[in-house]
Amino acid sequence: EADIYQTPRYLVIGTGKKITLECSQTMGHDKMYWYQQDPGMELHLIHYSYGVNSTEKGDLSSESTVSRIRTEHFPLTLESARPSHTSQYLCASSVGLAGWGDTQYFGPGTRLTVL
Amino acid sequence: QQQVKQSPQSLIVQKGGISIINCAYENTAFDYFPWYQQFPGKGPALLIAIRPDVSEKKEGRFTISFNKSAKQFSLHIMDSQPGDSATYFCAASIRGGGSQGNLIFGKGTKLSVKP
Repeated sequence: EADIYQTPRYLVIGTGKKITLECSQTMGHDKMYWYQQDPGMELHLIHYSYGVNSTEKGDLSSESTVSRIRTEHFPLTLESARPSHTSQYLCASSVGLAGWGDTQYFGPGTRLTVL
Repeated sequence: QQQVKQSPQSLIVQKGGISIINCAYENTAFDYFPWYQQFPGKGPALLIAIRPDVSEKKEGRFTISFNKSAKQFSLHIMDSQPGDSATYFCAASIRGGGSQGNLIFGKGTKLSVKP
């Protein structure tokens, strides 16, 4: 089982607050991802990174930002939370085996509620 | 444009029955097709994957069938058990393809196996 951690697991916060969702992995994977998912629903890629100082926006437009200063750490920040940001946020990292595509390892997620 | 179409959205199967989930893709450059399983409160986890050089791959009760000419692949769960109740996501990507190596997920199928 992969070691990828997300904190906090649950967060309830008021509108306008700045929040940072933490994601760390101990596997040394270069590629990392953030997905937004309503529980049990479609996965939407919002950010990804191929290594230190590399970040890209995903398919779903998001008001969040990310940084990648260390390989193992990929935090996501919302400068001003709104009720529309209420969702589950999943972090993942990936590695490719020779001849195969990347296997993504997901963290347990952060369930965010903005009041 | 949805590149990977998954059906059905939800599925109810009796214990011991066969669960079948279907996916269709559009991009003929895709050459890696994994399935992920997600239990409530958890992140998705790789279940089984196939490359287009084979038409079928079996791991225990789980089988992927792949039809390259039809651009379709499916997951079969034999002898379905209540513990298989989860959301299943098909995905596709291009091996070693930079940003094209990012997984493109289907919208998911919620499987419920009744005792």
